[in-house]
Amino acid sequence: ETGVTQTPRHLVMGMTNKKSLKCEQHLGHNAMYWYKQSAKKPLELMFVYNFKEQTENNSVPSRFSPECPNSSHLFLHLHTLQPEDSALYLCASSQDVRDTEAFFGQGTRLTVV
Amino acid sequence: GQQLNQSPQSMFIQEGEDVSMNCTSSSIFNTWLWYKQDPGEGPVLLIALYKAGELTSNGRLTAQFGITRKDSFLNISASIPSDVGIYFCAGGGGATNKLIFGTGTLLAVQP
Repeated sequence: ETGVTQTPRHLVMGMTNKKSLKCEQHLGHNAMYWYKQSAKKPLELMFVYNFKEQTENNSVPSRFSPECPNSSHLFLHLHTLQPEDSALYLCASSQDVRDTEAFFGQGTRLTVV
Repeated sequence: GQQLNQSPQSMFIQEGEDVSMNCTSSSIFNTWLWYKQDPGEGPVLLIALYKAGELTSNGRLTAQFGITRKDSFLNISASIPSDVGIYFCAGGGGATNKLIFGTGTLLAVQP
């Protein structure tokens, strides 16, 4: 238990569906992150939020839409995804963006069919 | 951009053997982290290193922050079956101030 909880753990969605991934952290951290993990690739940073404000978007397609209502919760809204978007999506948090010790959730295994 | 070269890509060892893996970079980092990821789970932080030359242990794990700040290694002594997983290095506080991950080392331990 790392203090970062992601739901759902597994998700299968069609290319025309809309779904959302949820992340919640109980560590009192102020920075939250979305990462994408594909087979045989390094972890790819997607979005960074610091004190609820988005500070980084690593050229992520608009079919991925993050939302951070408060420092403890982070969502990733998914819409009209492609099969190549199938991956493990990991949420992480740290004390703030200057703190490199990131704690990860268990991830959501997403399959786009 | 910043990249980390992690080696080896995979290791298949017998229980009880010692293991060593490393990460190198062409650029400097101020922090080196080592994570372990079990199948179907997220990465779990094992060791964090903050100072060049620092040697830190966590049970059977020992990691060092290279003196040049461009490399780090992780040793696992007397491996056991539950050491199986993918080990990732990560460098932080570099030029982009982002956490950059290596490609991982897959460890398999035969009882």
